Amino acid sequence: NAGVTQTPKFQVLKTGQSMTLQCAQDMNHEYMSWYRQDPGMGLRLIHYSVGAGITDQGEVPNGYNVSRSTTEDFPLRLLSAAPSQTSVYFCASSEVGNYGYTFGSGTRLTVV
Amino acid sequence: ELKVEQNPLFLSMQEGKNYTIYCNYSTTSDRLYWYRQDPGKSLESLFVLLSNGAVKQEGRLMASLDTKARLSTLHITAAVHDLSATYFCAVDDFTSGSRLTFGEGTQLTVNP
Repeated sequence: NAGVTQTPKFQVLKTGQSMTLQCAQDMNHEYMSWYRQDPGMGLRLIHYSVGAGITDQGEVPNGYNVSRSTTEDFPLRLLSAAPSQTSVYFCASSEVGNYGYTFGSGTRLTVV
Repeated sequence: ELKVEQNPLFLSMQEGKNYTIYCNYSTTSDRLYWYRQDPGKSLESLFVLLSNGAVKQEGRLMASLDTKARLSTLHITAAVHDLSATYFCAVDDFTSGSRLTFGEGTQLTVNP
């Protein structure tokens, strides 16, 4: 049982570079979401999806893009990385009508 | 806009003592989650509280939910060093259960 798999675990980017954080789940969960965690601020919602082809913005969406072409995958794209995007990113999935969230192990991103 | 506030943000306590972490939220929601996070790790689900008056206990931790007061508490009984971690409460999106809003977290240190 893999659950929610995030790759990579660590990444260092230069300002202006682009990259995609991968998130995959094998539980057939309809809902998936991305959060960033900064010291003293808890986790904040970036984008979320309630099913394939459906995405919406969360609290801090600027600088990030998402798409959901399959139920399993929900990648997060940084188009032009900025130092303010240095953070730990968590992906989560949850199931319709079953109230519980499964979190990935996180991606620690540093933008220099 | 949904807000979730925890207090205290930092808690240093001695082994054997009792203490309570408070979580206030600003919207009508019947679903409240408590997570534990160890340094450099992902979130570990502790409790899911799904209705007014819900009380759940696991070991030295007990969580309760008062939806009328929009308040949840996490009570620690006879703390031990192994409970040292950061504890988050989070509230579910009321309509879909697709995303969470987190409190800032309470960093708990239990001293011998």
